[in-house]
This record gives sequence, C-alpha cells and structure tokens, in this order.
Amino acid sequence: DVKVTQSSRYLVKRTGEKVFLECVQDMDHENMFWYRQDPGLGLRLIYFSYDVKMKEKGDIPEGYSVSREKKERFSLILESASTNQTSMYLCASSPRTGPPQGNTIYFGEGSWLTVV
Amino acid sequence: AQSVAQPEDQVNVAEGNPLTVKCTYSVSGNPYLFWYVQYPNRGLQFLLKYITGDNLVKGSYGFEAEFNKSQTSFHLKKPSALVSDSALYFCAVRVLFSGGYNKLIFGAGTRLAVHP
Repeated sequence: DVKVTQSSRYLVKRTGEKVFLECVQDMDHENMFWYRQDPGLGLRLIYFSYDVKMKEKGDIPEGYSVSREKKERFSLILESASTNQTSMYLCASSPRTGPPQGNTIYFGEGSWLTVV
Repeated sequence: AQSVAQPEDQVNVAEGNPLTVKCTYSVSGNPYLFWYVQYPNRGLQFLLKYITGDNLVKGSYGFEAEFNKSQTSFHLKKPSALVSDSALYFCAVRVLFSGGYNKLIFGAGTRLAVHP
C-alpha cells in the first residue's frame, strides 16, 4: 500500500514563528503536493513538485514556501506564521502520468496547525 | 476556467435508502474524475475514478459513480446507505500539464449524514 506520512498531526505555534511541516512518501512517486483544507472551501493547492528540487506554485502560495531535496520528502514552510494560516494541511503524492491512464493521488493523514 | 462544483453542502439519508452526492465539472478536454472520502480527523481516501470506458464506475465500500458527458456530471451513488458512510465527500478533476505533470482540483465537499 502507498503510504504518505505527515510527521506532525497536531501543532500549536505562535504568530511569527517559522513552521516546518514534513511529508514523506514510500512509493517513489515523482509528484508531491501540499493542500490546505478549510471548511466550505474544500482543498486548495499551495505548492506542488514534480521532481527533486523542482516546485510550482499552486493556487494560494502566498506566505508559504517548499523544499524538495529528496524524492521521497516534501516540506512545507511557513516563514512567519500568522493566525490566518490556522488550518488542516494535507500532503499528497502521485506517480507521473501520461494519457490515457489517470493516476491516483494519495493523501497523508493531515496536520492540524493552530497559530495563536 | 477549470472547476468542480458540489452543489449540496450536506446530504441527509436514512440508513438503507439509496444515496446520491452530486458533482459537476468544467474542464477542457477529456475529464479524469475522482471521488475521495474523508472521515473525521483523517486524510482523504480514494474511492473511485473515471478515466475512460464504461460510464458507470464501481469503487470501494459499495460506492459507484455515473459519468454523464452531456450534463458534465459525475454523481456518487450507493444503493443502500450505512451509518458508517457518514463522512465528508470530495469530487475532483485532474488537470494535466505538458510533460505529464498533474494536479487535482477539488470541490468544496459534501457532508453525508446517514441516520439510523
């Protein structure tokens, strides 16, 4: 089974702190993603990466950065946490795909971040 | 713009009755469509996907979904609901970039409540 592991399930941080959310996948997937989930808004893509050291902005990248130094690991960084970044963060991975196969994206269990 | 809509915030069903959770999409080209389920305090679990072929797709836990190209819909269905089906359901469409990179665009989610 595919396993996407988010190291921290629940975090409480202070405004202005630097926050690291770590994600590791064990299926040698090329693509990795960070989503943010908020009630009524569904999942919104923050950043994604399609290869080591490669990254692309998603729909809401402001206030975030990412790091992909190894294929299996994708980190989300909040340089200076703010209260509006209190949310559930979901990491995901998928293999690179080409038509006609549509590959499934697999999710981690999520990290609940509260910024006070 | 490519998007996914889930018109119902919540669906209430009595146990044993059939259920439908609605999803419509807007995407250029052939759609790759997905349903995910999220139980409380958990990540998203893959239920089923439509890539090509038969318009009726069968997935996990007895769920199925019907792809309707003319109505641009991909409704999730189950013939007989269980209380344990109560969860948050997300519809998603895959956006494919050149080079094989992909990401999912999610709907806002529909909360399914199955009553005994």
